[in-house]
Amino acid sequence: QAGLTQPPSVSKGLRQTATLTCTGNSNNVGDEGVAWMQQHQGHPPKLLSYRNNNRPSGISERLSASRSGNTASLTITGLQPEDEADYYCSAWDSSLSAWVFGGGTKLTVL
Amino acid sequence: DVQLLESGGGLVQPGGSLRLSCAASGFTFSSYAMNWVRQAPGKGLEWVSVIGVSGRYEHYADSVKGRFTISRDNSNNTLYLQMNSLRVEDTAVYYCARESGGFDYWGQGTLVTVS
Repeated sequence: QAGLTQPPSVSKGLRQTATLTCTGNSNNVGDEGVAWMQQHQGHPPKLLSYRNNNRPSGISERLSASRSGNTASLTITGLQPEDEADYYCSAWDSSLSAWVFGGGTKLTVL
Repeated sequence: DVQLLESGGGLVQPGGSLRLSCAASGFTFSSYAMNWVRQAPGKGLEWVSVIGVSGRYEHYADSVKGRFTISRDNSNNTLYLQMNSLRVEDTAVYYCARESGGFDYWGQGTLVTVS
């Protein structure tokens, strides 16, 4: 099952803005939208947003998600050291009847 | 609080079997689809399987189809994954995850090593 495409790494400075991307097709990203997760080393993933820009309670307003066609984006403003983590996107693929994940982006805060 | 607690992982030889369990608490288990997601050492997340709220539907990743079976016991708030014909490439931490738009709650995971 083909996955979603994410850049392997992104590096930004403290208090800067990072935008992470996730590209799929019309059967997944372009259909029901994307969920974003954050994972710190040695911990399970944590949901940051779902169906493109819905934030679970407790998730910082510095995070926002969007979608344009078959590409979704997660923007993190005012980067903090604790934002350094791996970020994954996922989407339900209606043609595969399967969830698909991106390979993950390692965000480094300099 | 929502809690998901996996168990049943361990070391198994290629071709062997294991049954994973995920005990759920703090929410109405029978109202949510549930998933298994795995993560090989140093690798990304890979979706494994989903089961609908009453077991009405099941879907599997191609990599495990025909070898793994997902099931649930809503009376005991428990999710299962029966894994047969295990391969070295099945080595991973296996997480159970509640589905609500995305995977909104995750367990701590259980390590399966096939060697």
